[in-house]
Amino acid sequence: ETGVTQSPTHLIKTRGQQVTLRCSSQSGHNTVSWYQQALGQGPQFIFQYYREEENGRGNFPPRFSGLQFPNYSSELNVNALELDDSALYLCASSLILATYNEQFFGPGTRLTVL
Amino acid sequence: AQTVTQSQPEMSVQEAETVTLSCTYDTSESDYYLFWYKQPPSRQMILVIRQEAYKQQNATENRFSVNFQKAAKSFSLKISDSQLGDAAMYFCAYGASNTGNQFYFGTGTSLTVIP
Repeated sequence: ETGVTQSPTHLIKTRGQQVTLRCSSQSGHNTVSWYQQALGQGPQFIFQYYREEENGRGNFPPRFSGLQFPNYSSELNVNALELDDSALYLCASSLILATYNEQFFGPGTRLTVL
Repeated sequence: AQTVTQSQPEMSVQEAETVTLSCTYDTSESDYYLFWYKQPPSRQMILVIRQEAYKQQNATENRFSVNFQKAAKSFSLKISDSQLGDAAMYFCAYGASNTGNQFYFGTGTSLTVIP
């Protein structure tokens, strides 16, 4: 069984730039959720993708967007980067019809915006 | 709105002793799930234990157990026989089927294990 993987591990961007983060879901999982974890905070839900469509969104502006591909992998895109976007971005996969909605997390991508 | 509160930013425990981490939550739902996740310094979030709200019996996983008080909306984690490898950030999380698998996390408790 392959776990959740994310790339890149670290990323440094400057304000105003755009960034794409990638996630491969765990084998057999059809749903991917993205979370932003600021330093010293718990993860905050950005959005979730199921069957290649957005299936729920947290309180994040439209410059945060995503994609899910037929193989269930996913991308998180952030446009017009701001300093406050500096955070650990976590991807989690799950099987949406599971009885207890357990999510399996990847190691995260550390984004630094200068 | 659902909120999850962890009131202990930091906790410490002597190796082999027992420690309890606190978590409270707020929801109007009756069908939901609660989780404790561990995030070691390597960053990968690992599920420690889960509890379905409809189950009255407290969940147990080896040295980890919970005290689930549904009426009080309390969900504490007890770690017995603490080991050095238990040192990590611990996050309490809430999820419900009607929130589309969205998890709500607390701010975490940093656990230090003293040799």
